[in-house]
Amino acid sequence: AQKVTQAQTEISVVEKEDVTLDCVYETRDTTYYLFWYKQPPSGELVFLIRRNSFDEQNEISGRYSWNFQKSTSSFNFTITASQVVDSAVYFCALSGMGANSKLTFGKGITLSVRP
Amino acid sequence: DGGITQSPKYLFRKEGQNVTLSCEQNLNHDAMYWYRQDPGQGLRLIYYSQIVNDFQKGDIAEGYSVSREKKESFPLTVTSAQKNPTAFYLCASSIFQGAGNQPQHFGDGTRLSIL
Repeated sequence: AQKVTQAQTEISVVEKEDVTLDCVYETRDTTYYLFWYKQPPSGELVFLIRRNSFDEQNEISGRYSWNFQKSTSSFNFTITASQVVDSAVYFCALSGMGANSKLTFGKGITLSVRP
Repeated sequence: DGGITQSPKYLFRKEGQNVTLSCEQNLNHDAMYWYRQDPGQGLRLIYYSQIVNDFQKGDIAEGYSVSREKKESFPLTVTSAQKNPTAFYLCASSIFQGAGNQPQHFGDGTRLSIL
């Protein structure tokens, strides 16, 4: 069975601080995909990034960066110089192939960025 | 703009009543999904459909029913058999389902409450 653990439930930071959101996953598939989604107060989930299991290269997109480490089954998300607009719930998700191709979500991390 | 439209945004159900949540997409996606979100619980899959006239149960299908008569539409009925229907319901779509690498696109959600 697939499982995603987001051990942090709520994080509160002051604007301009860096913050890292942790994600640990479990799967028996050799080919799998990891995702991060952002859910702002409006409710819609916004797709942020997808990584496949064969690509451990870290990725940076503006103030966002992702660190994928197969050795520790982790896919952590860092926001640099956080802003109030980053306040949202962030979900990490996992999908495999075939029967495991449906998304398995973690429980989400509520990030509050205070001015 | 292409996207997913869910309606209504808020819905109230009386005891013993069935209610139907609407989900329409104009992304020309084959696959559609319904999720339930409870506070602190992440997203749980109710039903999904890979193609018109076909749908599969997810992890928590009891008390719910769906139909997929058109590619664009995937309505969810919350029946009176669902004893705890109060939740936030999210509809999603992806290009196709089965490969695991397709990000899902989400609607704004419907919040269902019991009167």
